[in-house]
Amino acid sequence: GDSVTQTEGQVALSEEDFLTIHCNYSASGYPALFWYVQYPGEGPQFLFRASRDKEKGSSRGFEATYDKGTTSFHLRKASVQESDSAVYYCALGDRGNSGTYQRFGTGTKLQVVP
Amino acid sequence: EAAVTQSPRNKVAVTGGKVTLSCNQTNNHNNMYWYRQDTGHGLRLIHYSYGAGSTEKGDIPDGYKASRPSQENFSLILELATPSQTSVYFCASGDAPGGDYEQYFGPGTRLTVL
Repeated sequence: GDSVTQTEGQVALSEEDFLTIHCNYSASGYPALFWYVQYPGEGPQFLFRASRDKEKGSSRGFEATYDKGTTSFHLRKASVQESDSAVYYCALGDRGNSGTYQRFGTGTKLQVVP
Repeated sequence: EAAVTQSPRNKVAVTGGKVTLSCNQTNNHNNMYWYRQDTGHGLRLIHYSYGAGSTEKGDIPDGYKASRPSQENFSLILELATPSQTSVYFCASGDAPGGDYEQYFGPGTRLTVL
């Protein structure tokens, strides 16, 4: 079935560092791709989505570009802050027997130190 | 005001007991979802629903039942709880089709089965 792979389980950075969290997907066609962020003690929150090749999604200084050629949707931010410390999930729209839903990756925990 | 609420927020159950987790949403979304979150596995879909009276199996439905008595409410039922079901459970709602639109998550329920 369709799936997303996040290769980094944890990422540790200093403030103002550049962030890249990798997300690769396996699916036919052009599934919608999503990024969510989860702060400690809370449920995940939607960051942004993209649904076409070369489309860029962005929010709160984070961005990712849908790349059909490399089947990727990597999350990037130019300068991270301590407040960005959270778990980040990549997800894709998938089709089941009775409609569509989202399938999530395993998450990447980002820790930013001052 | 929170649009997706879950109750209880914390629950300790005994092995073999029955557990019901409740979710309420005021977003007027047709779709609702139940996930469990475990380290190394991310968010995994247990059951979902397209509207009142409907339930569908997700990726890991064994040992769980779901009930959607109304547009606003979606319950997850563990008839015979086991220690392997110790986890954090999240409910979410979203527009249809579910693979294309962002989901809105509740704050989670931490379940411990002894």
